[in-house]
This record gives sequence, C-alpha cells and structure tokens, in this order.
Amino acid sequence: AQKVTQAQTEISVVEKEDVTLDCVYETRDTTYYLFWYKQPPSGELVFLIRRNSFDEQNEISGRYSWNFQKSTSSFNFTITASHVVDSAVYFCALSEPSNDYKLSFGAGTTVTVRA
Amino acid sequence: EAGVAQSPRYKIIEKRQSVAFWCNPISGHATLYWYQQILGQGPKLLIQFQNNGVVDDSQLPKDRFSAERLKGVDSTLKIQPAKLEDSAVYLCASSLFREGLKNIQYFGAGTRLSVL
Repeated sequence: AQKVTQAQTEISVVEKEDVTLDCVYETRDTTYYLFWYKQPPSGELVFLIRRNSFDEQNEISGRYSWNFQKSTSSFNFTITASHVVDSAVYFCALSEPSNDYKLSFGAGTTVTVRA
Repeated sequence: EAGVAQSPRYKIIEKRQSVAFWCNPISGHATLYWYQQILGQGPKLLIQFQNNGVVDDSQLPKDRFSAERLKGVDSTLKIQPAKLEDSAVYLCASSLFREGLKNIQYFGAGTRLSVL
C-alpha cells in the first residue's frame, strides 16, 4: 500500500501565482517524520523541511510554507509568488520507526512555472 | 560544507555489461543510502549502510547488484550484468544518524544510467 500519496501529477502556473502541493500519508506509528524535497532538472534532491509528528505548528520559510494537519494526515506545501526557478519535481516523504526510519517517497508533483 | 559527491553523472552501456557508481558522503555521516529512481517515480531504497555494515539490503537485486562501503566512508554500487530495466537514476544519500532528530538525508546529484 502506498504510504505517501501526492495526487497531483503536474501543476503549471504563471510566475507570481501561488502553488499548493498536496501530500497525504498513512502510518500507524504515533511518532514519525515528514519531509519535502525538491528535485530540479539537475537531478539532485534538495532537502526543504522535516516535520516531527509531535509538532503541529505550521512553518514559513521565505516564500515557502507548510501546513501540517494530523487530523487529516496531510502535510501540504505552498509556494507563494512562484518564480521560474521553482520549476522542479517536489517529493513528500514519510519516515517511521516501524519501517526502521526508511524514507517512503510519494510519486512526486512536477511544478512548471511559466514566465 | 561539501555535499554528497557522486560519479559518473551519466553512463550509457549495453545490456549484459557491468557498471559501477561511486559515492562520497558528507564528512562525518555514519549512514549511507543508495536509491534507484525510475523516470516518473519517487526514489526507491536499494541498500542502507551504517558505517561499513549493511543495515538493510532487502530491496537490492542481489543476483546482479552489489554494494560495499569500505572503511565506512566511500561506497560503490555495481551492476553485473545490466538489464534494460536497470535504466534509472541512481542516487546516493547520507545522514548523521538513521533515526531521531539527525536523520535528515542529504542527496547527491545522482548517476543517470541508460542500458541499451
């Protein structure tokens, strides 16, 4: 069974628009970690954020913000006022003790920001 | 601080040939991972090392894939013989620890393998 679901395969926006990427996860562990990574065309996965399950405070970092909703098992990611350089594939991932903390990745969402 | 280094960046081989990938993790990182990423999918873990010992290789096709991490630093991943379905990007990652608050994995740029 898929532990992390990213329902949006592709999103295309015009520069300066906001983009929200959905991530829904599934776990029976009470303690777990959620991650977002960015994969630009160069191929490297760039770490963006890690969220602990016991910390439900939402986070903002510049134009990036994350909305963690434990009640709906979601960890959504918003890019505000998108730039062309935000074009990439974004992956959500789950790390659980019951899975020996291995990362379970979603299928990714491809974001294209047009000038 | 230097990131995870991988080489080569690209490799094209014919099926049944062998190939090797090299990874140098971030200095001081005890845990090293190899992932396979097929086009359009998320990365899939192949093998995980803690220092120079294998922690998990349950997803490694051991009839053709092998990996080692000598002296607990650099690592090599080998495929012999390669099949068409091995065409993918092979990513190496490292983290300070496997669990807890220092379990963030940092990735290299990957090696893109094409098997013809």
